[in-house]
Amino acid sequence: GAVVSQHPSRVICKSGTSVKIECRSLDFQATTMFWYRQFPKKSLMLMATSNEGSKATYEQGVEKDKFLINHASLTLSTLTVTSAHPEDSSFYICSVVPGGGPDTQYFGPGTRLTVL
Amino acid sequence: TQLLEQSPQFLSIQEGENLTVYCNSSSVFSSLQWYRQEPGEGPVLLVTVVTGGEVKKLKRLTFQFGDARKDSSLHITAAQPGDTGLYLCAGGSSNDYKLSFGAGTTVTVRA
Repeated sequence: GAVVSQHPSRVICKSGTSVKIECRSLDFQATTMFWYRQFPKKSLMLMATSNEGSKATYEQGVEKDKFLINHASLTLSTLTVTSAHPEDSSFYICSVVPGGGPDTQYFGPGTRLTVL
Repeated sequence: TQLLEQSPQFLSIQEGENLTVYCNSSSVFSSLQWYRQEPGEGPVLLVTVVTGGEVKKLKRLTFQFGDARKDSSLHITAAQPGDTGLYLCAGGSSNDYKLSFGAGTTVTVRA
């Protein structure tokens, strides 16, 4: 399977600040990555599809100006939560798709964001 | 709304017992994936099934994909405390690689 890292693992910030979360594919080049958020004891909710070299595709109801995604290289996608508010507090998880076969996704370890 | 209905939502059993988690949909999927997630961590892939009627066994875990590729089940034999976690099923689309997740089943295995 693919190895995916996320940084930071935990972040606490003040309301109104912006936070950047990195997702790295460590052992292969990923043209497609996904960003999810997860509330306590709930399933994953897809936020957006990150495409290398092009704009991200956002799911309905997700504010693209609020959650900025940059997929500048084949191994790195970043999610920036702009002007964060307490309701943005959540567990954010990225995934990668190795491709070339089943649409299996491999997930990063997640980033816990707490906005005070 | 979830395209995949997962049941039961919660399951608490004694060590050594068996358990089955179900994942059902009215949609056809190109693949069905099962993940286990522990608190504060990302989901870890257990298996991907792609062929209707496919059965995969991984030690004490047995995964089945329905003939019509709309449903799946996960069966654990002789459960151990280490099997405790949130089990997620996800249906795949070969068009855009997106996954549709079930709501999850929280499994607790008591020692």
